[in-house]
Amino acid sequence: GESVGLHLPTLSVQEGDNSIINCAYSNSASDYFIWYKQESGKGPQFIIDIRSNMDKRQGQRVTVLLNKTVKHLSLQIAATQPGDSAVYFCAERRANDMRFGAGTRLTVKP
Amino acid sequence: SQTIHQWPATLVQPVGSPLSLECTVEGTSNPNLYWYRQAAGRGLQLLFYSVGIGQISSEVPQNLSASRPQDRQFILSSKKLLLSDSGFYLCAWKGQGGKLFFGSGTQLSVL
Repeated sequence: GESVGLHLPTLSVQEGDNSIINCAYSNSASDYFIWYKQESGKGPQFIIDIRSNMDKRQGQRVTVLLNKTVKHLSLQIAATQPGDSAVYFCAERRANDMRFGAGTRLTVKP
Repeated sequence: SQTIHQWPATLVQPVGSPLSLECTVEGTSNPNLYWYRQAAGRGLQLLFYSVGIGQISSEVPQNLSASRPQDRQFILSSKKLLLSDSGFYLCAWKGQGGKLFFGSGTQLSVL
């Protein structure tokens, strides 16, 4: 089920380093995944998406990797900046909505 | 372009009082609409979704209800708020390809 009751895992990185945020999904039949970024007091914002017929997709400073064998999704942020500090959620498409992971709080240290 | 409006941004209500949160979408027709709740430091919990006027699906039993009186309007309500209803409420619409686009959220504190 959804991990809505769990405290968020955290990741702390130094400014300029690369960040890797991981996510495990539940449904092997899921065909579409999204990463969202949520800053404090705001709604989640779309970052990047990937379909199940791909294993990698790149955006500006971000890369999403999909491993369908182990049902694992990761978000890589290159040269992490203070403005990247936020909570990051992965989401998998279901029939009528998106199922969200528990989220990871990324803190960037100057 | 499509936009989603959600209000109010913050709300403080006493226990037992009613609630009405409104969400409207512009720039699209017949969107799928969603209400999510997020407790502090937690993930997103789907409360309701709607695929059309008057059509509401509830994901979890609770003290809340939803209505869709117009195509682009989605309302979250309660007759009597509980302390446990406190949280960050997010409205969203589903765009092309299945992406969800979220509103700015309403921080509800029930005291």
